[in-house]
Amino acid sequence: IQLTQSPSLLSASVGDRVTLSCKGSQNINNYLAWYQQKLGEAPKLLIYNTNSLQTGIPSRFSGSGSGTDYTLTISSLQPEDVATYFCYQYNNGFTFGSGTKLEIK
Amino acid sequence: EVQLVESGGGLVKPGSSLKLSCVASGFTFSSYGMHWIRQAPKKGLEWIALIYYDSSNKYYADSVKGRFTISRDNSKNTLYLEMNSLRSEDTAMYYCAKSTPFAYWGQGTLVTVSS
Repeated sequence: IQLTQSPSLLSASVGDRVTLSCKGSQNINNYLAWYQQKLGEAPKLLIYNTNSLQTGIPSRFSGSGSGTDYTLTISSLQPEDVATYFCYQYNNGFTFGSGTKLEIK
Repeated sequence: EVQLVESGGGLVKPGSSLKLSCVASGFTFSSYGMHWIRQAPKKGLEWIALIYYDSSNKYYADSVKGRFTISRDNSKNTLYLEMNSLRSEDTAMYYCAKSTPFAYWGQGTLVTVSS
């Protein structure tokens, strides 16, 4: 299964609602996770099984989707959210998306 | 607290071999599948290998199949990745991670393949 993330680069203002997209080449059956990676750090799990918030992750992060189309939403963008975000499917093998780099405008 | 600490990376020439280690603590290592994931410089993440908790099954990405071998020693809480016939395209940060969907990652160990 291949994953296509869009956009590759997103610039938004603090307080904005931000939506990142991840599309699979096949049905992912909700086995979809999202990671945040800041410069020089290992990825951090934000969301698993499409919409389950990992312990310790702020509630402004949420996930949704089904079938082949999935979304990560940040309800109110904060300066510390500057990072690259990767989606990941574990329904059929293990595949990461190419990432969305999120910047503050 | 779960901790994963990788080691063994370095600068090597094309065609050479290297063995990475990942020491785990803070959880029952022998009960969980473990993975290796890599990230080339300024690139995305690539899953490369999985080993079941009891070493009964091992899976590899096509890009490393036949060249890399994943193994583990549950008595030492240690995961390994033996890398042979290294190529320039294997240059990356290599992470170990605890069972999908990877709530825990190590800090990574850098492998550079260059002449």
